[in-house]
Amino acid sequence: NAGVTQTPKFQVLKTGQSMTLQCAQDMNHEYMSWYRQDPGMGLRLIHYSVGAGITDQGEVPNGYNVSRSTTEDFPLRLLSAAPSQTSVYFCASSYFTGGDQDGYTFGSGTRLTVV
Amino acid sequence: AQSVTQLDSHVSVSEGTPVLLRCNYSSSYSPSLFWYVQHPNKGLQLLLKYTSAATLVKGINGFEAEFKKSETSFHLTKPSAHMSDAAEYFCVVTDPTSGTYKYIFGTGTRLKVLA
Repeated sequence: NAGVTQTPKFQVLKTGQSMTLQCAQDMNHEYMSWYRQDPGMGLRLIHYSVGAGITDQGEVPNGYNVSRSTTEDFPLRLLSAAPSQTSVYFCASSYFTGGDQDGYTFGSGTRLTVV
Repeated sequence: AQSVTQLDSHVSVSEGTPVLLRCNYSSSYSPSLFWYVQHPNKGLQLLLKYTSAATLVKGINGFEAEFKKSETSFHLTKPSAHMSDAAEYFCVVTDPTSGTYKYIFGTGTRLKVLA
């Protein structure tokens, strides 16, 4: 099925460990982004990309890296995990149509716990 | 700067009664506005969007929202609640002229539907 695929669905890390959250979409969307969701705070943008080779920081980028070598993939790297990064992470993608952004397609999320 | 405020963190309604979820926004430009729904342990799904066409927007599952520029509001309504509507709802604003296409999320409204 077409859509946004995130892996893994669940992960437990120890403080200081690094890992990569994977995100892939098969809809040829130009725009991809990573959000974290914390209780009572809605979703906050970590990093985003408007096309292969182009990335930029969002609202809460510290502690995270991204790259966009292909249109399909947009991995999120945690460099040295901290308990404050315990959260649910969502990847989202969308088209631009005539300069207007269509709605996002979201992945099903990765629930990360840092102990 | 753009922002969005969801006026109620929790709303409870009885099945078969109307639903009203309130959203106010702040934007220097003519914004695009969205409503998303998130069922427990799921990703977010687009309900409807406003992009400067008709001010009354109809979405999926019987939901609709009205853009009122004078009140800077984009409230979500449904005439008759169903048990399956129980979920968290997010109001989102974006500025299509910004060149960044970043979403700004509200903090969410959790809808409870009572039998």
